[in-house]
Amino acid sequence: DTGVSQDPRHKITKRGQNVTFRCDPISEHNRLYWYRQTLGQGPEFLTYFQNEAQLEKSRLLSDRFSAERPKGSFSTLEIQRTEQGDSAMYLCASSSGRINQPQHFGDGTRLSIL
Amino acid sequence: QKEVEQNSGPLSVPEGAIASLNCTYSDRGSQSFFWYRQYSGKSPELIMFIYSNGDKEDGRFTAQLNKASQYVSLLIRDSQPSDSATYLCAVNPSNQAGTALIFGKGTTLSVSS
Repeated sequence: DTGVSQDPRHKITKRGQNVTFRCDPISEHNRLYWYRQTLGQGPEFLTYFQNEAQLEKSRLLSDRFSAERPKGSFSTLEIQRTEQGDSAMYLCASSSGRINQPQHFGDGTRLSIL
Repeated sequence: QKEVEQNSGPLSVPEGAIASLNCTYSDRGSQSFFWYRQYSGKSPELIMFIYSNGDKEDGRFTAQLNKASQYVSLLIRDSQPSDSATYLCAVNPSNQAGTALIFGKGTTLSVSS
């Protein structure tokens, strides 16, 4: 069990650029979640997958955001035309999907928009 | 709107004391409850989870759940300076497996030596 892995750990980009983050869940977990966290706030849900199916998207996930999990393993989160307000920590978590089982987080990707 | 409320703190306790962290939630149908610890600049780390009324103990940590009062707490006994962090309460608002968690804003704990 190597834990949830996220890449990159840090991303600095100019406003208007596109960015893509990757998440590799714990290998036996079929549920994968994306959250966003800003300073002083708890993580806010963005979207989640069961295997390759995207089951729920938050209203926070504007049309500039897209997430995929094409083979039911790793996932990518892309933000197009980044804005200052996108600066945050993007967290990925995974779980087994069994009822009451916890979600385990990766180290996160910190995005800074110049 | 489903909400999870925590006192932001900071909660300051001396080393060796008991720290008590509290959380209330709005959705009476919530089924499972999680406590995460988050050090500054790091990601949340699972401490404990509970889904039955009563107490659950793990080492120095005890989670307490009262569904009738919609209240969950975390007690840390023999607090250590290394326990200084933000503690996030998270709630699964559904009786379905594996849905998104709703987090509180967290309580900052400071343990002084």
